[in-house]
Amino acid sequence: QQQVKQSPQSLIVQKGGISIINCAYENTAFDYFPWYQQFPGKGPALLIAIRPDVSEKKEGRFTISFNKSAKQFSLHIMDSQPGDSATYFCAASSNSGYALNFGKGTSLLVTP
Amino acid sequence: NAGVMQNPRHLVRRRGQEARLRCSPMKGHSHVYWYRQLPEEGLKFMVYLQKENIIDESGMPKERFSAEFPKEGPSILRIQQVVRGDSAAYFCASSPLNVQSNTEAFFGQGTRLTVV
Repeated sequence: QQQVKQSPQSLIVQKGGISIINCAYENTAFDYFPWYQQFPGKGPALLIAIRPDVSEKKEGRFTISFNKSAKQFSLHIMDSQPGDSATYFCAASSNSGYALNFGKGTSLLVTP
Repeated sequence: NAGVMQNPRHLVRRRGQEARLRCSPMKGHSHVYWYRQLPEEGLKFMVYLQKENIIDESGMPKERFSAEFPKEGPSILRIQQVVRGDSAAYFCASSPLNVQSNTEAFFGQGTRLTVV
């Protein structure tokens, strides 16, 4: 079954707006939560990642918010740009396993 | 400093043929992971290998699929007697030797397999 649930499936945002993608998980053993960005025909590339000891991590225009009690985490893209148009995947893994468990992805389109 | 190299980028096979997908990890990386991505789906873990060892193959179908990572040369994902349902993008990722298992894995550009 899908261990990480991601929403929305697709998102359209105007240039300069905020893009928000949400993920939820059930496995409390997960302790590493990365976000990947994938352009068509390319492999996923790590964007930003967080561990449960912090509630927020910011890198440039990208911020992860993490709510451990709700078992949810989200990606915020501030001042969204057309070049941010891509598919975004959240993922989770635990220290006892080797697999990254991916969400189904969000297709983001930033309009000029 | 090349990234993870996968070849071929595109592979077309007829039903019943064999598909061989190759992955050369980043320099200095000895941990390799294979993932499969179906259309409109996220990536699904298949197998995790270190040099000459399969560490976790819990995501691999029990039949027709095998993987190896020899002492010399690339990692190979082999699919025997391919069926239409095997059509997907197959991604390889690698990570350095002496890090925790959940540290960044670098992905290749994938091999897109089409079974006709």
